[in-house]
Amino acid sequence: EVQLLESGGGLVQPGGSLRLSCAASGFTFNTYAMGWVRQAPGKGLQWVADISGTGYNTYYANSVKGRFTISRDNSKNTLFLQMNSLRAEDTAVYYCAREGGSTAYGHFTSWGQGTLVTVSS
Amino acid sequence: DVVMTQSPLSLPVTLGQPASISCRSSQSLVFSDGNTYLNWFQQRPGQSPRRLIYKISNRDSGVPDRFSGSGSGTDFTLKISRVEAEDVGVYYCMQGTHWPLTFGQGTRLEIE
Repeated sequence: EVQLLESGGGLVQPGGSLRLSCAASGFTFNTYAMGWVRQAPGKGLQWVADISGTGYNTYYANSVKGRFTISRDNSKNTLFLQMNSLRAEDTAVYYCAREGGSTAYGHFTSWGQGTLVTVSS
Repeated sequence: DVVMTQSPLSLPVTLGQPASISCRSSQSLVFSDGNTYLNWFQQRPGQSPRRLIYKISNRDSGVPDRFSGSGSGTDFTLKISRVEAEDVGVYYCMQGTHWPLTFGQGTRLEIE
């Protein structure tokens, strides 16, 4: 069974940084691309970033480009999202999701339970 | 960016009755490989999203056959043949053809 467990969320001040993690199990991690999708309180879903199975290719939403970095450690079956220069509008539940294959994007076949990030002073 | 527009945004339905959600994209979702990467997701209250349908009309494992997807190009539809209580939630279409990946605004299905 595919399991994705996010962690690292919390309260951070505007301009601050936070690093999210997603521990994966139940599948061969390095053969799947992975992504992050967020959901602001009471709002819809917004794609944030994706990374290929090898980690060599990354893709970002314009709203986070230059501030967020997606990465992965295939030896530890873990996905990361480093978030810098955080803004109030980054407040959201952040979900990690498994893609359809090593370089197959836009599928999001499995999702974690999410971790809440609150940016506020 | 490809804009995904859903309608209606709110959908009250009587138990046992059909329901239909429309999703339109601002440009064609046909990819260079000939596939159309249009997905439908369900998010029940308090839960994470779950994919129901991929590539327009393919149901994911475990999805009841009362859910069906159709469409082509820029116009797509999710249909529920007979709504059950467990179908309450928000439904999102999402395109995986063009970067950046984009979702529709969501359609809230409720039982009336």
